Amino acid sequence: GAVVSQHPSWVICKSGTSVKIECRSLDFQATTMFWYRQFPKQSLMLMATSNEGSKATYEQGVEKDKFLINHASLTLSTLTVTSAHPEDSSFYICSARADGDNEQFFGPGTRLTVL
Amino acid sequence: AQSVSQHNHHVILSEAASLELGCNYSYGGTVNLFWYVQYPGQHLQLLLKYFSGDPLVKGIKGFEAEFIKSKFSFNLRKPSVQWSDTAEYFCAVNEGGGSYIPTFGRGTSLIVHP
Repeated sequence: GAVVSQHPSWVICKSGTSVKIECRSLDFQATTMFWYRQFPKQSLMLMATSNEGSKATYEQGVEKDKFLINHASLTLSTLTVTSAHPEDSSFYICSARADGDNEQFFGPGTRLTVL
Repeated sequence: AQSVSQHNHHVILSEAASLELGCNYSYGGTVNLFWYVQYPGQHLQLLLKYFSGDPLVKGIKGFEAEFIKSKFSFNLRKPSVQWSDTAEYFCAVNEGGGSYIPTFGRGTSLIVHP
């Protein structure tokens, strides 16, 4: 099956700093990538949908200026958490979908801890 | 907007017991249906999916699910669970032919006692 990677797998940062998370589709071209947030013992919450070459579409309640998403190529999307605070600590998961495909493939997730 | 309901939030079983996890969705049109599993400390893995055709879908690790359109349901089943099936299980639905943006259920935590 298709492989999606995320980097880093975990990151610890100080409050007020920015953190960038990368999501890559390794063996297919991902026209659409999704970013999710997962709190402990809870489901995935869709944060935004990004299509290659266009601006991301954010879900209601997600601050687009805080969670910057870039999808500059068909194999790479990045999520930057700007001015991170402890409440931003969470598990961030990306997924990717090829054009015309009904299925998305998930990355392994990134554990963010903000001190 | 569609919603996905997983009725069982926590399930505890003994090994060899049979499993059925409920999943209902609200969208009335064509749907694509998925079950994912998340083992402790690991990422989401696809168990099985339904796009069209035979409504009884067989997935990996002995799991199967049945799409019942009239009931808007896609319940996950396994006749005999193992300790290694301990995990979180998520049902997801997207609108076939639409934006393919998935909606996830809140998940079911399954604990299997050896």
